[in-house]
Amino acid sequence: EPEVTQTPSHQVTQMGQEVILRCVPISNHLYFYWYRQILGQKVEFLVSFYNNEISEKSEIFDDQFSVERPDGSNFTLKIRSTKLEDSAMYFCASSTFGGTGEYFSGNIQYFGAGTRLSVL
Amino acid sequence: QQQVKQSPQSLIVQKGGIPIINCAYENTAFDYFPWYQQFPGKGPALLIAIRPDVSEKKEGRFTISFNKSAKQFSLHIMDSQPGDSATYFCAAARRGDDKIIFGKGTRLHILP
Repeated sequence: EPEVTQTPSHQVTQMGQEVILRCVPISNHLYFYWYRQILGQKVEFLVSFYNNEISEKSEIFDDQFSVERPDGSNFTLKIRSTKLEDSAMYFCASSTFGGTGEYFSGNIQYFGAGTRLSVL
Repeated sequence: QQQVKQSPQSLIVQKGGIPIINCAYENTAFDYFPWYQQFPGKGPALLIAIRPDVSEKKEGRFTISFNKSAKQFSLHIMDSQPGDSATYFCAAARRGDDKIIFGKGTRLHILP
């Protein structure tokens, strides 16, 4: 069964450093997402991406964050200057279509296993 | 308004029992209510979802009950098995939005 893959599974970085989290979405999917989960907290939406543009973003997704699809397969999340509070599990997801309000199989979001980011 | 409140935080049930996880929301614009199941080391996976025009949806041993007037919905797992031990997230989304709003999750443990 196709799946979303994320690398690395665990990333440790020093405060102030830049990190890039990588994701390979399911191959025929067109919409891509990043979510994060701070330990013990809920999963929170960060950003959605379609047609090489940000489609939607949350208030968490400030200027320190950026997303990119550098080639036909990878989708990346960059945090420019990490803070302690950026420590979290980051999930990538993908779907064929966007707009989750319509429940049909095409816009089910499939999640990767996540990258645990630890900022020291 | 954008929150989904989920309870309990954790739940231990004997095999064969019926764990029930409850969620509540405020935003009446939400019209898609999925439940996600997450096993350790894996990402959340869609388990079952409901729209507010129905009061119940059943898929295998999993049932969602939906009370639109109370703005509450719940997940029941019939004949629970140790393999159902996982974290369960309720969630909500609004038509046309990309983002899914998640509850805080319930860690379910089914005793053999």
